[in-house]
Amino acid sequence: QKEVEQDPGPLSVPEGAIVSLNCTYSNSAFQYFMWYRQYSRKGPELLMYTYSSGNKEDGRFTAQVDKSSKYISLFIRDSQPSDSATYLCAMRSNTGNQFYFGTGTSLTVIP
Amino acid sequence: GAVVSQHPSWVICKSGTSVKIECRSLDFQATTMFWYRQFPKQSLMLMATSNEGSKATYEQGVEKDKFLINHASLTLSTLTVTSAHPEDSSFYICSAETGLTNEKLFFGSGTQLSVL
Repeated sequence: QKEVEQDPGPLSVPEGAIVSLNCTYSNSAFQYFMWYRQYSRKGPELLMYTYSSGNKEDGRFTAQVDKSSKYISLFIRDSQPSDSATYLCAMRSNTGNQFYFGTGTSLTVIP
Repeated sequence: GAVVSQHPSWVICKSGTSVKIECRSLDFQATTMFWYRQFPKQSLMLMATSNEGSKATYEQGVEKDKFLINHASLTLSTLTVTSAHPEDSSFYICSAETGLTNEKLFFGSGTQLSVL
């Protein structure tokens, strides 16, 4: 079983839609959770960072962490064509220095 | 957020030559940097973990003699692909961790290597 599972998509939505991206994980020791956005042939850009459980909102983006279910989500409201990219979830524990990544979900927002 | 600068953005070289890729943390000190390789439409594959002043730790299956990593200072790590061959063609990305407990990871812009 992989440490982090993420549906690769592709996901295609109309402009203005609400997008839900998800990852599940198996290691209950994970405490730090991140979402990255990666445009083609660019390095990933940190979008959201959450410690432990709970919600975090930043503009049109909301990150949720449910540690009891080992499940994290990223919601994008009022999606824009510029949101078209691959979204990667990442996480790590308090111990060790390795980050674990999902495979990424490819999102296309259609104008 | 913290800025990680990676150069060059792309490089084309002949088979058998060596290529050096630089990764710099511009506004913070990074005790640990990571090097990844990414194939088209695939996720990041960790190649090695680089700690300042010590030898890099390579992931299983990554040839340390082919992919030389040097982390000489708290703001600079380099990856040298030695005697490059066409199968080494890939997108290479560096990252550095920061934060009070090094919990955040910031990435460089990546280097597309094409070996002819």
